[in-house]
Amino acid sequence: GQQVMQIPQYQHVQEGEDFTTYCNSSTTLSNIQWYKQRPGGHPVFLIQLVKSGEVKKQKRLTFQFGEAKKNSSLHITATQTTDVGTYFCAGPWKGGSEKLVFGKGTKLTVNP
Amino acid sequence: DGGITQSPKYLFRKEGQNVTLSCEQNLNHDAMYWYRQDPGQGLRLIYYSHIVNDFQKGDIAEGYSVSREKKESFPLTVTSAQKNPTAFYLCASSNGNGLYEQYFGPGTRLTVT
Repeated sequence: GQQVMQIPQYQHVQEGEDFTTYCNSSTTLSNIQWYKQRPGGHPVFLIQLVKSGEVKKQKRLTFQFGEAKKNSSLHITATQTTDVGTYFCAGPWKGGSEKLVFGKGTKLTVNP
Repeated sequence: DGGITQSPKYLFRKEGQNVTLSCEQNLNHDAMYWYRQDPGQGLRLIYYSHIVNDFQKGDIAEGYSVSREKKESFPLTVTSAQKNPTAFYLCASSNGNGLYEQYFGPGTRLTVT
């Protein structure tokens, strides 16, 4: 079945270091979405990428969608303690886009 | 104040009892979803609905049931047939299908002993 894989599963960084999480889909995606879940909280939508090769920035966060629309990455520059949480990517289900297929997430911890 | 509400935040039940989790949204969204989250497992889809009086099974529907009698409400019942019901349950809604972002409620943490 359709799979969305994320690596790494866990990442621990010192505050100020950069962080990158990668998302790989087994199928071509029409779009990819990124969510952030703070500890004890619920997932919150961050961004959606639609075009092949698209790059979007939100302050210290840079999101990329691969040329083949099967992979994506989220890069955080100079991490802060507020970046702590689990980052999920998700893409529409290939069988009709009725639902999202989520990756298992990358859990980021930041040492102050 | 628009959004999705789930209640209660914490729920405790004895094994063998059915329990219903509430999910209400006032975003006028057509689509609603139920996910289960276990440590290290990400989000697993239980049921989803794109229109009133219609819903589909997700990846882990066994032991769960839902109803969609109103656009705003999508309650989830965890039945006694669910073998490992202790988990964090998240409800979400969206303006349409997987092409649109999902808005999540605060979740209900269910503990069954």
